[in-house]
Amino acid sequence: NAGVTQTPKFQVLKTGQSMTLQCAQDMNHNSMYWYRQDPGMGLRLIYYSASEGTTDKGEVPNGYNVSRLNKREFSLRLESAAPSQTSVYFCASTRGGAEETQYFGPGTRLLVL
Amino acid sequence: KQEVTQIPAALSVPEGENLVLNCSFTDSAIYNLQWFRQDPGKGLTSLLLIQSSQREQTSGRLNASLDKSSGRSTLYIAASQPGDSATYLCAVGPVSGYSTLTFGKGTMLLVSP
Repeated sequence: NAGVTQTPKFQVLKTGQSMTLQCAQDMNHNSMYWYRQDPGMGLRLIYYSASEGTTDKGEVPNGYNVSRLNKREFSLRLESAAPSQTSVYFCASTRGGAEETQYFGPGTRLLVL
Repeated sequence: KQEVTQIPAALSVPEGENLVLNCSFTDSAIYNLQWFRQDPGKGLTSLLLIQSSQREQTSGRLNASLDKSSGRSTLYIAASQPGDSATYLCAVGPVSGYSTLTFGKGTMLLVSP
């Protein structure tokens, strides 16, 4: 099994451009999460989806939108990228809620110039 | 707001040493605590999950303990090896299911041959 996959692995954007980060899991998990990881800040939750058809804001949702396309896929969209969104983005999933073991994808490195 | 602190921020030891990584949290109302490993440029891998009703969990050379009342957890690594070199993160899980994990900033471990 592939587990959690993310595309792309690396992306460079110019300020104001838009892009969508893709995440998919093949473990039949109900909940999916988007985090960003910045030096000195640790991992911070952007959005999560407790089940297909639902999404909720995390700690740092401003500047992002998400879509839970189906049970497998959870995408993160930057409508107008800003240099402050330069980060490493991780997608994760759990079978049930956040109290269970989280499985992480390999990450997307985003550089906004 | 839950805060998670990990000490030390970095640790360098020779191969074969036993070592302890520390994690403290400010709100003892947690559901569980998880320890993760992150290799450079990679995603997070779950190592151990301790439920709030448990005192410790073991996996191979790893042993994690939890003292909820004092807001502390330790990760003990026995007979360290160069392959243990990575960043170790702890995260505390919420009392309610569909909420966020709170992560510490991690301890960067280097084990020298």
